[in-house]
Amino acid sequence: QQQVKQSPQSLIVQKGGISIINCAYENTAFDYFPWYQQFPGKGPALLIAIRPDVSEKKEGRFTISFNKSAKQFSLHIMDSQPGDSATYFCAARRSRDDKIIFGKGTRLHILP
Amino acid sequence: EAQVTQNPRYLITVTGKKLTVTCSQNMNHEYMSWYRQDPGLGLRQIYYSMNVEVTDKGDVPEGYKVSRKEKRNFPLILESPSPNQTSLYFCASTSSQVLQGGYEQYFGPGTRLTVT
Repeated sequence: QQQVKQSPQSLIVQKGGISIINCAYENTAFDYFPWYQQFPGKGPALLIAIRPDVSEKKEGRFTISFNKSAKQFSLHIMDSQPGDSATYFCAARRSRDDKIIFGKGTRLHILP
Repeated sequence: EAQVTQNPRYLITVTGKKLTVTCSQNMNHEYMSWYRQDPGLGLRQIYYSMNVEVTDKGDVPEGYKVSRKEKRNFPLILESPSPNQTSLYFCASTSSQVLQGGYEQYFGPGTRLTVT
């Protein structure tokens, strides 16, 4: 079965630090690699997505780095804030039909 | 306001009693999907739909049915629910258009289903 492997399962970062979450995928049929943020009791929210022909995409404090040859991508949260404490999911998406495979998630806790 | 609505939000039912979870979106999105979320397993796609009358199986379709008769609605049907379908369910809608190198996607608030 196609997989997206995400690490770490949980992460604790000091306020102002950089949070880094990593993912690896197997299948090259996907053409978007999104990250989602989920707060307790809420649905996931699309945070940022990257195409495999781009090596980096930045939106505010959130940056995706993409390494196509290694089939790996990562989310960097700069200047992490307590409000960033949430569960983050990476995924691989096939845009022609919206098939999506998710990683198992990372629980991020930012210490105040 | 862009919105995906799901009903009911909470449901406790018994094994074998047919149920339907409704999902509706107001953004005219072509794509809609259903997911289940279980502790330690993350989100898994149950079914997805590219447009009216076009659906396909995701990774965990067993025990579920869907229909897409209208663009805005995508109900999830459990014909004979079993305890292993106890889960948190999310509906999502996605635009087919690329916007500034990305796309638009929204999830509903979730339906917590318990099957006893």
